[in-house]
Amino acid sequence: DTAVSQTPKYLVTQMGNDKSIKCEQNLGHDTMYWYKQDSKKFLKIMFSYNNKELIINETVPNRFSPKSPDKAHLNLHINSLELGDSAVYFCASSLLQDQETQYFGPGTRLLVL
Amino acid sequence: AQSVSQHNHHVILSEAASLELGCNYSYGGTVNLFWYVQYPGQHLQLLLKYFSGDPLVKGIKGFEAEFIKSKFSFNLRKPSVQWSDTAEYFCAVTFTGGGNKLTFGTGTQLKVEL
Repeated sequence: DTAVSQTPKYLVTQMGNDKSIKCEQNLGHDTMYWYKQDSKKFLKIMFSYNNKELIINETVPNRFSPKSPDKAHLNLHINSLELGDSAVYFCASSLLQDQETQYFGPGTRLLVL
Repeated sequence: AQSVSQHNHHVILSEAASLELGCNYSYGGTVNLFWYVQYPGQHLQLLLKYFSGDPLVKGIKGFEAEFIKSKFSFNLRKPSVQWSDTAEYFCAVTFTGGGNKLTFGTGTQLKVEL
């Protein structure tokens, strides 16, 4: 039983393209997150959503747009991809009252050529 | 700004050796502390967490961590490592007033050799 799933697992694309990464959780959580892990393994939060509403929006270029169609899904759309966007993107989820205990997805490895 | 640092980037141990991974944070207020592990090819999993109470916290797979407030530290320990402990270990902290946002350290790559 997959708790937090992401698709695709790997994504290779050209600069300037637009791509989306999907995330779904079946834990009944109401809060979801996107993290970016760079080449030095530094993991930094990008966004968090609670019940489809944006809670945290870190300093992220507006080319990145999260979309939450329902509380079990949080997708990440990236416009005009740049070389520096190459990273592993992790989705996570939690309960609002226990945001510190987060469950992570397997990650999506994005490579921009 | 609040930050989390893990000074050991790569650690290599033989099986049965004892492990201690360092984690320090910079913040004078109340914190919650976590250790996550990422096994090769797998997602991040919570090993253990500290919110309050006994500063010695026991987690899964024989790991423990001790919160020493005076040293701003939350080091991870295991008395005897196994080959299957080979993984990346991340310390993380939430700070009061930080909106429950997890701030991660840069991780420590542990390799356990047979």
